[in-house]
Amino acid sequence: AQSVTQPDIHITVSEGASLELRCNYSYGATPYLFWYVQSPGQGLQLLLKYFSGDTLVQGIKGFEAEFKRSQSSFNLRKPSVHWSDAAEYFCAVGRPGGYQKVTFGTGTKLQVIP
Amino acid sequence: EAGVTQSPTHLIKTRGQQVTLRCSPISGHTSVYWYQQALGLGLQFLLWYDEGEERNRGNFPPRFSGRQFPNYSSELNVNALELEDSALYLCASKGGRMMNTEAFFGQGTRLTVV
Repeated sequence: AQSVTQPDIHITVSEGASLELRCNYSYGATPYLFWYVQSPGQGLQLLLKYFSGDTLVQGIKGFEAEFKRSQSSFNLRKPSVHWSDAAEYFCAVGRPGGYQKVTFGTGTKLQVIP
Repeated sequence: EAGVTQSPTHLIKTRGQQVTLRCSPISGHTSVYWYQQALGLGLQFLLWYDEGEERNRGNFPPRFSGRQFPNYSSELNVNALELEDSALYLCASKGGRMMNTEAFFGQGTRLTVV
C-alpha cells in the first residue's frame, strides 16, 4: 500500500508571491502522482500528473511540480500566485491496479492576501 | 458538454435514517467512483462501478452501498445514518480503466446528519 502526506494544513501567501506546496509519499516503486485543486463548493480538478519520464511536470493554471525520488516528494509550485488560486490543494499517489487505488492527502488550504 | 453532476447538493438527515445520493457521469464515461470527504480527512475511496457492476469497495461498512444503472449513472445509498457520516460525498467519472485517463469530479453532495 502507499501513503501520502501533506505537512501543511494551511498556507497564506501574498498575491504575486511564489508558492510551494509540499507533498511526500511512501511507496516502494515509482508511483503515479497527482495534484488536484478544489475551489469552495466545487469538486476536484486535476492540475497535473506524473507517471514517468521528465520529472518536472507542467500543469494547468501556471502550476508545475517536480518528482524527486530521493526525497519521496512531489511538491507543487507556482512562480506568482493570483487571488483566484485561493483553494484547497490535494496531492494524491497511485499505483498499478487502477484509479480506485489512488490515495489522497488531507489537503493544504491556500489563502491569498492582497 | 455537461460535466459530472450530483444531486442533491445539500442534504440534512436525522441519525438512523437512510439517504440516496445520485451521480450522472460525463457522457460516454462508464466508470463511476464514490468518495467520502470528511473534514480534515481528505478523500476516502468508497465504491467503484464500471459497466454496471461493482468492481471494488473501500474500507466502509456494508450500510454504504450503491448501484450503477444501464445509462452509467449511479446511486450511493447509506443506511442507518450515523453522525460521523456527515461529509461531502464526491463522485468522479472516467472514460476508461487506464490510469492515464483523467477522472472528472462532480461538485459533491454535502450530507449533514443531526
